[in-house]
Amino acid sequence: DTGVSQDPRHKITKRGQNVTFRCDPISEHNRLYWYRQTLGQGPEFLTYFQNEAQLEKSRLLSDRFSAERPKGSFSTLEIQRTEQGDSAMYLCASGPMDEQYFGPGTRLTVT
Amino acid sequence: GENVEQHPSTLSVQEGDSAVIKCTYSDSASNYFPWYKQELGKRPQLIIDIRSNVGEKKDQRIAVTLNKTAKHFSLHITETQPEDSAVYFCAATTSGGSYIPTFGRGTSLIVHP
Repeated sequence: DTGVSQDPRHKITKRGQNVTFRCDPISEHNRLYWYRQTLGQGPEFLTYFQNEAQLEKSRLLSDRFSAERPKGSFSTLEIQRTEQGDSAMYLCASGPMDEQYFGPGTRLTVT
Repeated sequence: GENVEQHPSTLSVQEGDSAVIKCTYSDSASNYFPWYKQELGKRPQLIIDIRSNVGEKKDQRIAVTLNKTAKHFSLHITETQPEDSAVYFCAATTSGGSYIPTFGRGTSLIVHP
């Protein structure tokens, strides 16, 4: 499968724990995006990388969230001190320009 | 910032009927408008897109129209089939920068056999 992949697909964690998600984009895509999606809503932008540079972050992104894309390949999204409100689907997307192709997402449940 | 409104939130049709989903946007600088289909538990899938220099685009049973003056664009699905049942999202993006799309809230399309 040469599409965008994400790991893990599901994560259940207790409130206050840290979690880290991984995204592997389509190899030739230099742009990588993270989104959060809750039930009944469209994807909500979190942050964006062009190659290894993080160029934009949503104003809504708490400082408990951090993302990296070392070497411009895979990316990780870490959430520290998780809260119940962080429960959502976390989607990664990659693209060469304005087209974006989504991964299957990581569903986070914070208990 | 950009604001995208999408209607209806739910659309129920009989197999073989046409379905139309409408979106409006607020930022006149937006110039790229993708549509995504998301089946239950699956990833959003890009199904068609249109750029601001084009008024209409077709791909088999789906088509998208764009009215830049009125700032609205629509998805048209003809001869609907049960496998078209899914949530459809529109989005508006400003090209030439970070290409960050603003998504609508989605339309749940139900096609009854």
